Parts: sequence; structure tokens; C-alpha cells
Amino acid sequence: EAQVTQNPRYLITVTGKKLTVTCSQNMNHEYMSWYRQDPGLGLRQIYYSMNVEVTDKGDVPEGYKVSRKEKRNFPLILESPSPNQTSLYFCASSLGGWDTQYFGPGTRLTVL
Amino acid sequence: EDQVTQSPEALRLQEGESSSLNCSYTVSGLRGLFWYRQDPGKGPEFLFTLYSAGEEKEKERLKATLTKKESFLHITAPKPEDSATYLCAVLLGSNYKLTFGKGTLLTVNP
Repeated sequence: EAQVTQNPRYLITVTGKKLTVTCSQNMNHEYMSWYRQDPGLGLRQIYYSMNVEVTDKGDVPEGYKVSRKEKRNFPLILESPSPNQTSLYFCASSLGGWDTQYFGPGTRLTVL
Repeated sequence: EDQVTQSPEALRLQEGESSSLNCSYTVSGLRGLFWYRQDPGKGPEFLFTLYSAGEEKEKERLKATLTKKESFLHITAPKPEDSATYLCAVLLGSNYKLTFGKGTLLTVNP
């Protein structure tokens, strides 16, 4: 089944404790992207990648890192999480460009 | 200033009552406009892509249209299962960043 998977789905952590949210797709897609969704602010792009080893900042990249070492994986790294990074995070992928993006199920992160 | 504005924020319809959702953008140089549907607790689901003014796309009860500064998502004879948040996103200018609107929460009552 074609899908985007994210792990973990739920995470509660404390300020400053490094964490990684994994994202994997099995559709051989070139483009991958991370978003955060907050009430009243909508969906905002954090980082995106157009291919292996090619990444760029979205609208809200501060406090986040990404890497794209393999085509199928695009982990999101929070080196020193803070409470303002409490949010619902989505990973997405698409074959080429932003047409027909497939979204993962989301990761709900709480930073205390 | 928001680059992408969706209106209304919320819309309540009776089953069968057709209506339209709006997505307007303020920056020039549209390279693509995308519509998504999002159900509570789930990731957005792709609906349509529009690239140029005058373009239209249809899927079941939904029809998306595009003018030079806005897009409409027309919902014909909606059913309760059409209840969801509808998001639009735009690709503008020379970069590859995708900007989403805040969405329209549609509720269709039986």
C-alpha cells in the first residue's frame, strides 16, 4: 500500500531533550516536506527536500533540522525542543513538484 | 499580511444546499494552486491542482476554478460526508515554498 509513515505518532518530552521524528515513504517520490499545524495559524511548511541531499527552508525552519540521505526517508530533528514547538507535525511526499502531495498521519508533539 | 486568505472561516450547510469556498492570494506570480481536504485528526488529502486562470477541475460534487487572484471550490448538493476542513495552498514566485491558507471548516447537516 502506497503510504507515508511517521513515528512516533504521539510524543511528550521536556525542554532541551533532543528528539527525532521519522518519516518514510514507499512511493519513490522525489519531493518530501515537513509541516506543522497550529490552531489559528494553519499549516506551515518547515523544510522541504526536492531530492536526496537537497533540502531548503520553508516558512518556519527555526529550531528544526532535516536530512535527506536516502530517497525514502526524511527525518525531522529538534536538537533542543522548546514549548513553542508543541504542535501537530505532518510529513508529506510527492512525485515531482507539489502536485498530489501525500500526507502522513501526523505526530502530535508536546514539549513541557 | 497573509499571502493566502480563505473565506469563510466556517460554513454550515444543509444537505443538498450548494455553496462555494474562496481562496484568494495577494502575491503575483502564481505557479500552482492546490486544494486539500482534511478530516479531524488526519493528514490533508489532495483534491485538485490548478495552474492557470480559467482552469477548472471536477471530482464528484466538487469543482475547483481559478481566476487571476482567487480560486473557488464549488460544492454541489453536498452530503454530510463532505464535512471537513478544506485547505488551499499556493506556490508563488520563484521559490519552491508552499503556503497554505488557514482553511474553511465545512459542516453539512443531514
